[in-house]
Amino acid sequence: KQEVTQIPAALSVPEGENLVLNCSFTDSAIYNLQWFRQDPGKGLTSLLLIQSSQREQTSGRLNASLDKSSGRSTLYIAASQPGDSATYLCALSNDYKLSFGAGTTVTVRA
Amino acid sequence: GAGVSQSPSNKVTEKGKDVELRCDPISGHTALYWYRQSLGQGLEFLIYFQGNSAPDKSGLPSDRFSAERTGGSVSTLTIQRTQQEDSAVYLCASSLASQVLHFGNGTRLTVT
Repeated sequence: KQEVTQIPAALSVPEGENLVLNCSFTDSAIYNLQWFRQDPGKGLTSLLLIQSSQREQTSGRLNASLDKSSGRSTLYIAASQPGDSATYLCALSNDYKLSFGAGTTVTVRA
Repeated sequence: GAGVSQSPSNKVTEKGKDVELRCDPISGHTALYWYRQSLGQGLEFLIYFQGNSAPDKSGLPSDRFSAERTGGSVSTLTIQRTQQEDSAVYLCASSLASQVLHFGNGTRLTVT
């Protein structure tokens, strides 16, 4: 069974600082990895999807890397803003079923 | 275009009552998922529909839970004889070919 761990559980940074969010997993036989953002009382919004054959994906200030050999993915958010405050979840897909981490709750202080 | 729509957004029910939760996926999305998010817990897979294939029901926690998807579009998750431990946010998602998932805002179920 795939186990997904996200550390730290919570993170508070001043505006402008770069964010580094970690995701580790136990089974490297994955189909793809997705990073999601969840705002309070809302559903999940997909940020980045990395296919199993890829090493990273970038979108604006966001960059996600994937290292299957070490069972790790990292989400980088450059020059954080208060609007980046949310919970960030990683999820790994084995075919169609996603296994989610518990998330990292980020607070960006103005 | 329109995203995934779930209704109701909130539901309070008495223990022992049945509830129905509805999900309208994005038009044309062949895959539909139900997940459950309990306080302090990660997302728990419940059920997966893909086109006309038999659904993967392996995540349903008990036989009180059932789901259907009519006409390859709208899905209904039914919980019979609700229990307090069923209280959670129920999230629906849809996708094309099991790629990027698009989630609805969820239904917050409270069983009193």
